[in-house]
Amino acid sequence: NAGVMQNPRHLVRRRGQEARLRCSPMKGHSHVYWYRQLPEEGLKFMVYLQKENIIDESGMPKERFSAEFPKEGPSILRIQQVVRGDSAAYFCASSPLGTGMNTEAFFGQGTRLTVV
Amino acid sequence: GENVEQHPSTLSVQEGDSAVIKCTYSDSASNYFPWYKQELGKGPQLIIDIRSNVGEKKDQRIAVTLNKTAKHFSLHITETQPEDSAVYFCAASRDTNAGKSTFGDGTTLTVKP
Repeated sequence: NAGVMQNPRHLVRRRGQEARLRCSPMKGHSHVYWYRQLPEEGLKFMVYLQKENIIDESGMPKERFSAEFPKEGPSILRIQQVVRGDSAAYFCASSPLGTGMNTEAFFGQGTRLTVV
Repeated sequence: GENVEQHPSTLSVQEGDSAVIKCTYSDSASNYFPWYKQELGKGPQLIIDIRSNVGEKKDQRIAVTLNKTAKHFSLHITETQPEDSAVYFCAASRDTNAGKSTFGDGTTLTVKP
């Protein structure tokens, strides 16, 4: 059973370009969470999605950032017109359930975005 | 919203000694407290978790304690080994959405051989 798969592992973008980060959840998981980790800091929640629905985007910057989790295919975190402050590691986590006593979230290896 | 504070930020111990990392949280509605280990260049890996109906949980060399009244929880690693060296994160969430957690800022643990 493959874990959470994220690609690319490393992404370099020039200021003003778009960055697209992909996350394939673990098999059987229908809940996806995106986190951002700045250097020397903990992970900060960005957005929670189920298939075709954004459930909670309270941690998502209001501009330039968007996320989707289509019926088919991976979840995508999209950053438009990137700036140097967007440089960070972006992690995706998935869980089989959004609620319940036995819910755990499993993290992928992350995508390290560098804006030059 | 929830605020999680984690101490210390760095911890160095001799191999075989114990290591303790402490966290406090602010949201009394939080009732799920996972601990993650993150090695360089990798994603966080769940190592142990505790829910608010339990005061202590142990898994081999690692244990977690929870004091819900005081809103703090701790990770204990006994008989540390060099391969325990990593960054450890505590987190807190409401069980209704365990995937949406508030993380501490991490503790860099170094185990010296």
